[in-house]
Amino acid sequence: NAGVTQTPKFRILKIGQSMTLQCTQDMNHNYMYWYRQDPGMGLKLIYYSVGAGITDKGEVPNGYNVSRSTTEDFPLRLELAAPSQTSVYFCASRPGQGAGGANVLTFGAGSRLTVL
Amino acid sequence: GNSVTQMEGPVTLSEEAFLTINCTYTATGYPSLFWYVQYPGEGLQLLLKATKADDKGSNKGFEATYRKETTSFHLEKGSVQVSDSAVYFCALSGAQKLVFGQGTRLTINP
Repeated sequence: NAGVTQTPKFRILKIGQSMTLQCTQDMNHNYMYWYRQDPGMGLKLIYYSVGAGITDKGEVPNGYNVSRSTTEDFPLRLELAAPSQTSVYFCASRPGQGAGGANVLTFGAGSRLTVL
Repeated sequence: GNSVTQMEGPVTLSEEAFLTINCTYTATGYPSLFWYVQYPGEGLQLLLKATKADDKGSNKGFEATYRKETTSFHLEKGSVQVSDSAVYFCALSGAQKLVFGQGTRLTINP
């Protein structure tokens, strides 16, 4: 039972480059989320999805894009990377409303991104 | 909107000391409340939760009681261990999203 899998674990980008952080879950969860965690800080929500084909912005969506073509996958795209996007990124998922444990998030191990 | 406020860290204690990490919230309706823990180099994991007023969540010796009258969900442990060193996040459930506090870094010295 893999849970939430994120790749890559580490990545260094140059300013202006683009990349995609991958997130896959095998729990058939409807809801998926992307957070960023800056050093010594809490979590900020970037984007979330309540099901395949549906995405919505969180607190800090600028500079990012997402898609949700399947229930399992929720990739996060960084366009034109900037030093301000240096952070640790966490993907998380949870079941839909009405399911057991509906509000409990399962997190991935994180992807550490450095933009130089 | 919904919000969570945690006591600022870092918190440093000696082994076997009593721990309290304060958490207060602002919310409409009746949210569920959570404590998540993040060990070094890892993602967050659920520590405990409470789904209605006066519920007590507990796990691994940690406890927190959902107090609607004081809008609080303070985390307590009677005797901390070095292995409890981590960052602790209080959170509440909104309609579609969880709202997290800023986290409290806890260090336990032997």
